[in-house]
Amino acid sequence: TQLLEQSPQFLSIQEGENLTVYCNSSSVFSSLQWYRQEPGEGPVLLVTVVTGGEVKKLKRLTFQFGDARKDSSLHITAAQPGDTGLYLCAGNAGKSTFGDGTTLTVKP
Amino acid sequence: DTGVSQDPRHKITKRGQNVTFRCDPISEHNRLYWYRQTLGQGPEFLTYFQNEAQLEKSRLLSDRFSAERPKGSFSTLEIQRTEQGDSAMYLCASSSLGGLTEAFFGQGTRLTVV
Repeated sequence: TQLLEQSPQFLSIQEGENLTVYCNSSSVFSSLQWYRQEPGEGPVLLVTVVTGGEVKKLKRLTFQFGDARKDSSLHITAAQPGDTGLYLCAGNAGKSTFGDGTTLTVKP
Repeated sequence: DTGVSQDPRHKITKRGQNVTFRCDPISEHNRLYWYRQTLGQGPEFLTYFQNEAQLEKSRLLSDRFSAERPKGSFSTLEIQRTEQGDSAMYLCASSSLGGLTEAFFGQGTRLTVV
């Protein structure tokens, strides 16, 4: 069974601060997805990373895939209250294995 | 087509009743997935279809659960003799067959068994 561990589980910060959340596994993944989920809604796909060492930027969000394709990080610069939500990583597209997420709260 | 659609959004049922949920995937997507999510956890894979064929079922899917995708388009998930432990968010996702096959999710059906 491929397991994904996300850390921290909860993160509460002030608007304008920077943060990084992590997604780690002992397994190698062919691809890794990051999703953001709001309460009562389904996950929304943010990005897919495929190549080891790959870095993708989406406005203030920077995603990195580890060289060995076992881990990933999400860095948010100058967080805003609208970034509040549950950030999930998932390994291997389609029939994915999900982590339990990082719940981010950005206070105004 | 604007995305994956699930119906109903919310369902409250009494223990022992049967419930059925519907998912309409993105129209050009061949693959359709069902997941279950409980509070504080990430989605857990239940089953998936490629066109009308059900290719894999998780051991989480007890014999009270059945899923169909009869014409390779929409899918239904039925839970018979519901139990309180079935209370969860049921998520449907779809993906294309080729390329990255990244999954796009619907808004989910929140089931509460009382």
